Amino acid sequence: KAGVTQTPRYLIKTRGQQVTLSCSPISGHRSVSWYQQTPGQGLQFLFEYFSETQRNKGNFPGRFSGRQFSNSRSEMNVSTLELGDSALYLCASSLGWEIGSNIQYFGAGTRLSVL
Amino acid sequence: SQQGEEDPQALSIQEGENATMNCSYKTSINNLQWYRQNSGRGLVHLILIRSNEREKHSGRLRVTLDTSKKSSSLLITASRAADTASYFCATDAGGSSNTGKLIFGQGTTLQVKP
Repeated sequence: KAGVTQTPRYLIKTRGQQVTLSCSPISGHRSVSWYQQTPGQGLQFLFEYFSETQRNKGNFPGRFSGRQFSNSRSEMNVSTLELGDSALYLCASSLGWEIGSNIQYFGAGTRLSVL
Repeated sequence: SQQGEEDPQALSIQEGENATMNCSYKTSINNLQWYRQNSGRGLVHLILIRSNEREKHSGRLRVTLDTSKKSSSLLITASRAADTASYFCATDAGGSSNTGKLIFGQGTTLQVKP
């Protein structure tokens, strides 16, 4: 099975712009979660989508949004970029329905730099 | 805020030695997981231990869980240079046990010298 695929791998944007990141989960996985990783704050949960519905949400401002399509692929959007949004954005997928096992399979990440 | 704190923050050992990392968390949990990350890349799942388990083994990995102390430890035996990476503990913070929402610790950076 192919792993979790994130595109693009690297992105450079300027303040005020918006950006869309894409994630293709492992085939058969219905849950997709997004995380932000920075040296200062570490790994922080953004949101989780399951069967096209947002199931969980972290403590990020409304500039961060996401969606999931019927094929489970997910996109994350950040509007009005700020310098502090520079980070590694990680996507993870899982079955999403198996009680007692929420092992996450991560993609390689998208490195976003905001100038 | 982070659920867990890990210590040490950094660990440097020689090949063949054992490495022990500790993780503490704040809320009740359904399970606790350990992940490895190589140099700013994606995380790889290592092992999951449920709240009703006290110890679990997988190859050279041994994980313990003490729910009364809200702590866990990861032991890597006979370490290799390829084990050089950052290691993170993660919990579901008592949410649904099938949730994708994990709360990560700050991580331990392990360097194994050949």
